[in-house]
Amino acid sequence: KNEVEQSPQNLTAQEGEFITINCSYSVGISALHWLQQHPGGGIVSLFMLSSGKKKHGRLIATINIQEKHSSLHITASHPRDSAVYICAAPTTGNQFYFGTGTSLTVIP
Amino acid sequence: ETGVTQSPTHLIKTRGQQVTLRCSSQSGHNTVSWYQQALGQGPQFIFQYYREEENGRGNFPPRFSGLQFPNYSSELNVNALELDDSALYLCASSLDRASDEQFFGPGTRLTVL
Repeated sequence: KNEVEQSPQNLTAQEGEFITINCSYSVGISALHWLQQHPGGGIVSLFMLSSGKKKHGRLIATINIQEKHSSLHITASHPRDSAVYICAAPTTGNQFYFGTGTSLTVIP
Repeated sequence: ETGVTQSPTHLIKTRGQQVTLRCSSQSGHNTVSWYQQALGQGPQFIFQYYREEENGRGNFPPRFSGLQFPNYSSELNVNALELDDSALYLCASSLDRASDEQFFGPGTRLTVL
């Protein structure tokens, strides 16, 4: 069992749809990161959160520390949102675990 | 303010050789982390350096080693290259340790033949 699990692995949506990507973790973490990786490898940090909820434009990230679960939501999805979304957890023991990523394709 | 840069962008080596990859941190960042991402996989944490000291290590053998310099730039060295070392190597810098937001470089694509 991986320390960080993501679902779904692949997701196809129509433009405008509301999208949710889930992340569960089994390790003690200091914060949880949501990352976006476009084809070609470039990774961008979307959010880092240790409690509650954060919002940036059409992106919303939530975390429930008790349930060890986080979600990334995209409202009014757009084809330019197509990318791989990865959750990552730095642990209190200075390890860093990544989910396997969710490949999102938004169709016009 | 410059972002995180990595060099080279692409590299081809043969099995058994040694390789050094370089990373320049974002200005003001004292922490750098290195990751290996095999094709189609998520990144795997190799190690982190904080103020020139190793500050955490993933499940990688000792032939993966690193250095962080006083200007906080960093190197990843891999000895005795194996075919499975072929991957995208990413570095990320943060203001202070892994719990801070990480800023990723574009990566170095290593191919081992």
